Amino acid sequence: DQQVKQNSPSLSVQEGRISILNCDYTNSMFDYFLWYKKYPAEGPTFLISISSIKDKNEDGRFTVFLNKSAKHLSLHIVPSQPGDSAVYFCAASVMDSNYQLIWGAGTKLIIKP
Amino acid sequence: GAGVSQSPRYKVAKRGQDVALRCDPISGHVSLFWYQQALGQGPEFLTYFQNEAQLDKSGLPSDRFFAERPEGSVSTLKIQRTQQEDSAVYLCASSLTGTGPLNQHFGDGTRLSIL
Repeated sequence: DQQVKQNSPSLSVQEGRISILNCDYTNSMFDYFLWYKKYPAEGPTFLISISSIKDKNEDGRFTVFLNKSAKHLSLHIVPSQPGDSAVYFCAASVMDSNYQLIWGAGTKLIIKP
Repeated sequence: GAGVSQSPRYKVAKRGQDVALRCDPISGHVSLFWYQQALGQGPEFLTYFQNEAQLDKSGLPSDRFFAERPEGSVSTLKIQRTQQEDSAVYLCASSLTGTGPLNQHFGDGTRLSIL
């Protein structure tokens, strides 16, 4: 039973355009969401997060949107750059147990020059 | 180094052998986490330490898996009588405090292959 789902295994985007990565969750107890970026043979690195009390959080080229009623969040990267090519993981947490992250399977983003 | 260090980076073992994976957290970090990442999947939580105390081991898949952090710094994940389904990348993360998923810093992982 996957509580966090990333339904697109891969996504290809032209450099300079917007990349949109999607994530769905089933557990309504989740109240904190994170996006991690992972390069091959490296560990995940934190990118951006959002609390369930917000519907948007922005950090430079990265924006995360949360739609609680739809149990859906998305990561927007604009403009996309070649260095953004990586696997992006969505993760969720319940603040009472806030060290346990529940992860999606990841989406491989390829930025084409 | 400044980051979380894991060794070995790659480990190949025959089915039935015991393996030990090491994690050196960032100096001064109180909390330490182990995750298992199967091919094409996201990481799955295995266990959590706060200093030397193992506060949560609910994610360990069987009693063949054992983790320790005897002095509250370096941790070892041991897998006994390995099986092919144990093949995965094992990730270690540390954080300065015990709270906040935002604060977890990951190592580059150990890729374990069981033949």
